[in-house]
Amino acid sequence: NAGVTQTPKFRILKIGQSMTLQCTQDMNHNYMYWYRQDPGMGLKLIYYSVGAGITDKGEVPNGYNVSRSTTEDFPLRLELAAPSQTSVYFCASSYSKTFNTDTQYFGPGTRLTVL
Amino acid sequence: AQKITQTQPGMFVQEKEAVTLDCTYDTSDPSYGLFWYKQPSSGEMIFLIYQGSYDQQNATEGRYSLNFQKARKSANLVISASQLGDSAMYFCAMRVQGTGNQFYFGTGTSLTVIP
Repeated sequence: NAGVTQTPKFRILKIGQSMTLQCTQDMNHNYMYWYRQDPGMGLKLIYYSVGAGITDKGEVPNGYNVSRSTTEDFPLRLELAAPSQTSVYFCASSYSKTFNTDTQYFGPGTRLTVL
Repeated sequence: AQKITQTQPGMFVQEKEAVTLDCTYDTSDPSYGLFWYKQPSSGEMIFLIYQGSYDQQNATEGRYSLNFQKARKSANLVISASQLGDSAMYFCAMRVQGTGNQFYFGTGTSLTVIP
């Protein structure tokens, strides 16, 4: 029972490089989310998706892009990495047939450092 | 605007004692859900307990209970009989029906259980 998986677990980028953080869930959840967590802080929503082909911006979308071509996958793309993007990135998913009763299930996180 | 506020950056509790972690929220939407998550030092996010805005009874899950006071817009987490393994960050979160299923997180409370 894999749940939500994220790769890689750790990554160091140089300023200006690009990368894609992978997220896959095997629970047939329709909602998926990307968060970042800066040291000592809570989670801030970057992007979310309510189903395949549908994405929307969260609180801090600048510098990131997403796509949702399948129900299972929700990759997060960083273009032109900056030191301000050093953070831990969490992917999460939820199933919401009855909207707000369903919790999110989180992946283990990706620790990204931009130098 | 939707907002979650956790005013206790850090809390200490003696082992086997009960502790209350505060959470207040702000939303004008009548339909919302409130969640608590635990984040141990290993970094994963663990769902603890859920309370719906229309629920009449306070939620309980084992040693966790949620003290829901709707008029005061508070959703405090009570942990009974604290254990050393309860030492972690605790996040309060809210999901609001009218905002496309986004989750809003507080800044967290760091709980330390003292032997």
